[in-house]
Amino acid sequence: DTEVTQTPKHLVMGMTNKKSLKCEQHMGHRAMYWYKQKAKKPPELMFVYSYEKLSINESVPSRFSPECPNSSLLNLHLHALQPEDSALYLCASSQGLAKNIQYFGAGTRLSVL
Amino acid sequence: SQQGEEDPQALSIQEGENATMNCSYKTSINNLQWYRQNSGRGLVHLILIRSNEREKHSGRLRVTLDTSKKSSSLLITASRAADTASYFCATAYTGANNLFFGTGTRLTVIP
Repeated sequence: DTEVTQTPKHLVMGMTNKKSLKCEQHMGHRAMYWYKQKAKKPPELMFVYSYEKLSINESVPSRFSPECPNSSLLNLHLHALQPEDSALYLCASSQGLAKNIQYFGAGTRLSVL
Repeated sequence: SQQGEEDPQALSIQEGENATMNCSYKTSINNLQWYRQNSGRGLVHLILIRSNEREKHSGRLRVTLDTSKKSSSLLITASRAADTASYFCATAYTGANNLFFGTGTRLTVIP
């Protein structure tokens, strides 16, 4: 099973809402990632977790809060977002960091009104 | 920034033709990977080439790596309409803890 599952597929939220994105993998991967992708642009790394510990935070605003409850799950908590945060949010996992192949979920399309 | 540059930004070809896209990167790498993304979907890994390899094949895909020029090329032979997608190179720089994705090439294959 090489699947990374992301929910929900689509999310519309107001600027005062609190919502969460969820990502799950059962490949035994120990690294998990959140990316943000705008239209016609490459994925932009947000956070990296390695062995359930935050390894990289690419200076992401605090309105995005990641959480890794266990080795299979990765959440991204959203609060007080801005319209410019509307994007495709991608989760990925890999066996280890750096040079390993990453497996991506289908993404959550987020619209902030 | 460690982001690689890809060219062309967009490429439109007829079905059956070959498509070539190029990626340039910044410093020494452990490996270089190519990913494909259908519109609005997740990325799918296509092929990985290590720094000590010069060429690799997988089905209709051929990847070359020139470490002296810090560049790689992806060739898709006998293209099909289903190959229409964005293609990204991703570099695993030596000592880095994540991949750096290139700017991407949008390929359109016209039936």
